[in-house]
Amino acid sequence: DAGVIQSPRHEVTEMGQEVTLRCKPISGHNSLFWYRQTMMRGLELLIYFNNNVPIDDSGMPEDRFSAKMPNASFSTLKIQPSEPRDSAVYFCASSSWTGGGRVHQPQHFGDGTRLSIL
Amino acid sequence: EDQVTQSPEALRLQEGESSSLNCSYTVSGLRGLFWYRQDPGKGPEFLFTLYSAGEEKEKERLKATLTKKESFLHITAPKPEDSATYLCAETSNFGNEKLTFGTGTRLTIIP
Repeated sequence: DAGVIQSPRHEVTEMGQEVTLRCKPISGHNSLFWYRQTMMRGLELLIYFNNNVPIDDSGMPEDRFSAKMPNASFSTLKIQPSEPRDSAVYFCASSSWTGGGRVHQPQHFGDGTRLSIL
Repeated sequence: EDQVTQSPEALRLQEGESSSLNCSYTVSGLRGLFWYRQDPGKGPEFLFTLYSAGEEKEKERLKATLTKKESFLHITAPKPEDSATYLCAETSNFGNEKLTFGTGTRLTIIP
């Protein structure tokens, strides 16, 4: 089975440019998560969606960041304008949400997008 | 604010030398404690979920345990392929899937 697919795998761009990261979750999963990983701060949740609706975006650092999920099989994370401090590895993950019960379904991660802003 | 602390930051072991990784959490109402493995250039890979103190889960050479304040990942007779960064994460929410991750332990097994 295909896992979570992210594109591009690497992105290098200049400060001020718009960056769009893409994610295709595992088919049948109804929750999607965007994380950022840096050496200093580790893995941080930026935003997550349930059934295509944003549930918690408290981790989105600034208005320069936006995320959308137009359908169950696609999501984007956009940074505009980009800054050097946005350089990090961005991960997308998905899971099958069971409606708030005791059992938490594990999150399955893609292999990330390594973003470098010059 | 929920906080997860992992120790040590890095650990080097000889092949076959057993040890334990620690994950301590400060959340008062823990709902789930997760262990993930991350290889270089890859996303985290799910290993275990623990829900209550005293619970244990095993997979090959790995065993995860949970107390009221911390979790341990025990590695028995490790092999070089066990080298990776091990992350733990917690959630204190029902109905909310938000996870708080620790910064990980980088484990190196020397042949």
